[in-house]
Amino acid sequence: NAGVMQNPRHLVRRRGQEARLRCSPMKGHSHVYWYRQLPEEGLKFMVYLQKENIIDESGMPKERFSAEFPKEGPSILRIQQVVRGDSAAYFCASSPLPGGTEKLFFGSGTQLSVL
Amino acid sequence: GNSVTQMEGPVTLSEEAFLTINCTYTATGYPSLFWYVQYPGEGLQLLLKATKADDKGSNKGFEATYRKETTSFHLEKGSVQVSDSAVYFCALSEGTGTASKLTFGTGTRLQVTL
Repeated sequence: NAGVMQNPRHLVRRRGQEARLRCSPMKGHSHVYWYRQLPEEGLKFMVYLQKENIIDESGMPKERFSAEFPKEGPSILRIQQVVRGDSAAYFCASSPLPGGTEKLFFGSGTQLSVL
Repeated sequence: GNSVTQMEGPVTLSEEAFLTINCTYTATGYPSLFWYVQYPGEGLQLLLKATKADDKGSNKGFEATYRKETTSFHLEKGSVQVSDSAVYFCALSEGTGTASKLTFGTGTRLQVTL
């Protein structure tokens, strides 16, 4: 049973470009969480999604950031018009249970670098 | 708001040494507390947890006790191995139901040498 898969592992973008980060949850998991780790900080919650629904996006910046988890395919975190401050490690986690922090499985992250 | 503070790394120890990684937290309610571990090239994995004051979480020889009076959840292991080399994250969670969220510390890198 493959774990949570994130790709790419490393993503380099120039300011103003778009970044798309993908997350394939573990098989049978329908709950996905995105976290961001800025340099010298801890991971911070961004958004919680179920299939085709955003449940909690209280940690998402109000502009330029969006997330989706379609019926088919991976969850996508999309950052439009990236700025240097978006450089961070983005982690995805999945769970078989609603709000299941005790059964969260994390991917190994995508390191975004904005030049 | 909630926050987690853990000791800065890296922590370098010889094999069989005693390990302590300090973690303190600030929370408005009564959080659950967690330690996650990230081995090189892998995602974070839950190491242990405690859901109420005075609970002790344990796994793989690691232990941590939920201390409400000192708002701490220090990670300890009596004898570390080279295979314990990883980054350790302390975290807390408040809320139940459909929107539980974790607040993490910055992580502490542990390097164990022979």
